[in-house]
Amino acid sequence: QVQLVQSGAEVKKPGASVKVSCKASGYTFTRYDMNWVRQAPGQGLEWMGWVNPNSGNTGYALKFQGRVTMTMNTAISTAYMELSGLRSEDTAVYYCARDPAGVWSAFDLWGQGTMVTVSS
Amino acid sequence: DIQMTQSPSSLSASVGDRVTITCRASQGISNYLAWYQQKPGKVPKLLIYAASTLQSGVPSRFSGSGSGTDFTLTISSLQSEDVATYYCQKYNSAPGFGPGTKVDIK
Repeated sequence: QVQLVQSGAEVKKPGASVKVSCKASGYTFTRYDMNWVRQAPGQGLEWMGWVNPNSGNTGYALKFQGRVTMTMNTAISTAYMELSGLRSEDTAVYYCARDPAGVWSAFDLWGQGTMVTVSS
Repeated sequence: DIQMTQSPSSLSASVGDRVTITCRASQGISNYLAWYQQKPGKVPKLLIYAASTLQSGVPSRFSGSGSGTDFTLTISSLQSEDVATYYCQKYNSAPGFGPGTKVDIK
């Protein structure tokens, strides 16, 4: 069925990097951009950025520029989000979410979320 | 940067009540506005896009309206399964979410 399946929970030390994957199935991967959204414990949703599967173009929220890298491997229908220089404030659930490529659109399919804990 | 605000931040209503949540954008966003429902411990779910278009499978008691800077989400008859936090989102240019409105049953 149509779904996004994310990699498992991670525990990282401050200053480290984390790479989360998001594998798509059930739809044409290249027709949708992939967005990443995070949610700190008890907090709201925060959009981090997007990546286009055809061009590899990305757009990052100002807050994350310089620290985040989003990529896609179309051969295996998988998107990745790597966040570096982790600090305790990065402890959150990270979601991937798709929207149709090339048009402004809402996010109609979400992954199950990946919990990233940053702790010394 | 366009900021999204929501009111109220939380509300408590009885089953069967009509519930309205407001979302405001700091600048006009036409109708590039979506609403999501997030139940406790669950993944956000798209309810409405283009300000007023109901996503497939979403009950018809949910409706959306507005354009420009002011938007509303209405639940015509609140059900127990509607207990959740509701987020608005602008999706033109850099997407951004409102802070959320938590809805529970009185």
